[in-house]
Amino acid sequence: QKEVEQDPGPLSVPEGAIVSLNCTYSNSAFQYFMWYRQYSRKGPELLMYTYSSGNKEDGRFTAQVDKSSKYISLFIRDSQPSDSATYLCAMSASEAAGNKLTFGGGTRVLVKP
Amino acid sequence: GAVVSQHPSRVICKSGTSVKIECRSLDFQATTMFWYRQFPKQSLMLMATSNEGSKATYEQGVEKDKFLINHASLTLSTLTVTSAHPEDSSFYICSAGSLAAYRGGELFFGEGSRLTVL
Repeated sequence: QKEVEQDPGPLSVPEGAIVSLNCTYSNSAFQYFMWYRQYSRKGPELLMYTYSSGNKEDGRFTAQVDKSSKYISLFIRDSQPSDSATYLCAMSASEAAGNKLTFGGGTRVLVKP
Repeated sequence: GAVVSQHPSRVICKSGTSVKIECRSLDFQATTMFWYRQFPKQSLMLMATSNEGSKATYEQGVEKDKFLINHASLTLSTLTVTSAHPEDSSFYICSAGSLAAYRGGELFFGEGSRLTVL
């Protein structure tokens, strides 16, 4: 079993719909949770960063972390065709700069105009 | 966010040659840099962790003699694919962390380098 599970998709939604993404994980030591967006043939771009459980909102993006269930989510409101990309969740157990991230497999999202 | 530059973005080489990829942190000092490999429609696979001034730590299954990593300064790390073969063709991405700008686990990624070995 992978440490972080993420549905690969593709997830196809009409423009304006809410995109709902999630990851589950098994390592209870994870405390820092991130969502990255990756366009084709580009490096990942950090979208959201959350520490421990709770919700965080930034514009059209909302990240939720439920540590008791080992489940994190990302919601994209009023989705646009430009949101079409692969979304990767990532997690870390430590604040240390040298601590590596553990990534989910990525979910491919397609927003149709 | 912080900027990480990766060069070249694309490289095509003949089998048996060596290729060097550079990763630079442009506006911060990166104490730690990571190198990943990504196959089409797959997630990032961590290859190695490099700390400035010390030897890189390679993940299991990654050949350290084939993928040479040098992190000689706080702003530059290089990955050299030695004696490249077609199976080394992939998308290579670096990321960097900064003690000053760091939030636990937060990393900034380069744009990636697509290597094609003929």
